[in-house]
Amino acid sequence: RKEVEQDPGPFNVPEGATVAFNCTYSNSASQSFFWYRQDCRKEPKLLMSVYSSGNEDGRFTAQLNRASQYISLLIRDSKLSDSATYLCVVPNQGAQKLVFGQGTRLTINP
Amino acid sequence: EAGVTQFPSHSVIEKGQTVTLRCDPISGHDNLYWYRRVMGKEIKFLLHFVKESKQDESGMPNNRFLAERTGGTYSTLKVQPAELEDSGVYFCASSYGLTQDTQYFGPGTRLTVL
Repeated sequence: RKEVEQDPGPFNVPEGATVAFNCTYSNSASQSFFWYRQDCRKEPKLLMSVYSSGNEDGRFTAQLNRASQYISLLIRDSKLSDSATYLCVVPNQGAQKLVFGQGTRLTINP
Repeated sequence: EAGVTQFPSHSVIEKGQTVTLRCDPISGHDNLYWYRRVMGKEIKFLLHFVKESKQDESGMPNNRFLAERTGGTYSTLKVQPAELEDSGVYFCASSYGLTQDTQYFGPGTRLTVL
């Protein structure tokens, strides 16, 4: 089983829609979680950090379910500019290396 | 403030040749990381420097890969000799100091081995 698993998609949704995707992780001791965004042929950029039950930043909400070992990302009122690959990232506890999921590709259609 | 920079942006070499990738972290960042994404796979950790010391090199695939960070500033990653399976995008990231500090990624070097 992979340490971090995501549905690779692709997700194609119309502009203005709400979209959500999940990520599961295998290490129950993990304490922090991140969502990174990666545009085509660009570097990953931090979107949100999740340290407790969840985090909200504008149209973006990340939630953590420790019992089921998954985190989710919800995007409301989606914009064309939200089209990207969203990477679920879990730091390896005891180390500082990041463990990435494969990424979920999202395309917002006009 | 300048971000993480990497050079070259692209490199195309033949199997058996040597390639050296360079990463300049954000000024003042003690931590420097190398990651790699091969086609169809997730981004994977290669190694981690704290200043000039290798803190964790558990992700280095084999002894054809050599990373250095002399003086604790920029880092180089040399692949010698390159193999076809080394093709991918090599990302460098840096962070300030603490475990939870955000890692900032460079634009990556796209390596193609023919």
